[in-house]
Amino acid sequence: EAGVAQSPRYKIIEKRQSVAFWCNPISGHATLYWYQQILGQGPKLLIQFQNNGVVDDSQLPKDRFSAERLKGVDSTLKIQPAKLEDSAVYLCASSAFGTVYEQYFGPGTRLTVT
Amino acid sequence: GIQVEQSPPDLILQEGANSTLRCNFSDSVNNLQWFHQNPWGQLINLFYIPSGTKQNGRLSATTVATERYSLLYISSSQTTDSGVYFCAVKISGSRLTFGEGTQLTVNP
Repeated sequence: EAGVAQSPRYKIIEKRQSVAFWCNPISGHATLYWYQQILGQGPKLLIQFQNNGVVDDSQLPKDRFSAERLKGVDSTLKIQPAKLEDSAVYLCASSAFGTVYEQYFGPGTRLTVT
Repeated sequence: GIQVEQSPPDLILQEGANSTLRCNFSDSVNNLQWFHQNPWGQLINLFYIPSGTKQNGRLSATTVATERYSLLYISSSQTTDSGVYFCAVKISGSRLTFGEGTQLTVNP
């Protein structure tokens, strides 16, 4: 079974530029999550999708971050404009819908904003 | 929100030693996961263990939900066990919340 796929793996941009990350979840997983992990900390949830609807985006900085999951499968996360403090690893995870909530993570995208 | 505390924050072992990592949480949970984050940043699922005991090779985990803690045991540690170990918990209707992690270094 293929795992969660993410691209790109690394990205370096200048502040005020825009950037987009892509995620493809495990086949059949209805729930998709985007996390931000700052160096030395645990991942923090940015947004959770159930199929193509948003379940939780309370920690998403909506003035600069946006995410979509148009067909209920893959998803994109965008930052526009980027700030220095957005330098982090962006992790995508997915889980099956039901009573077992185990989440599986992709390899992440390491973003550096200069 | 739920609080998750992991101890110790750092642990240095010699290859072959055993260790116990602890995760304390502040509320009843319906999901508890242990992850290993390798030096390349990949989060690897170790256990999904909201209660009970599980074993997988040299690793085992126990969650005592009524007392709000979980333990991860690593036996006969190897250098490839190095990395950060995260405990993450979820209460019903809320998000998965991660602890700050335990940085494990296994020296040859």
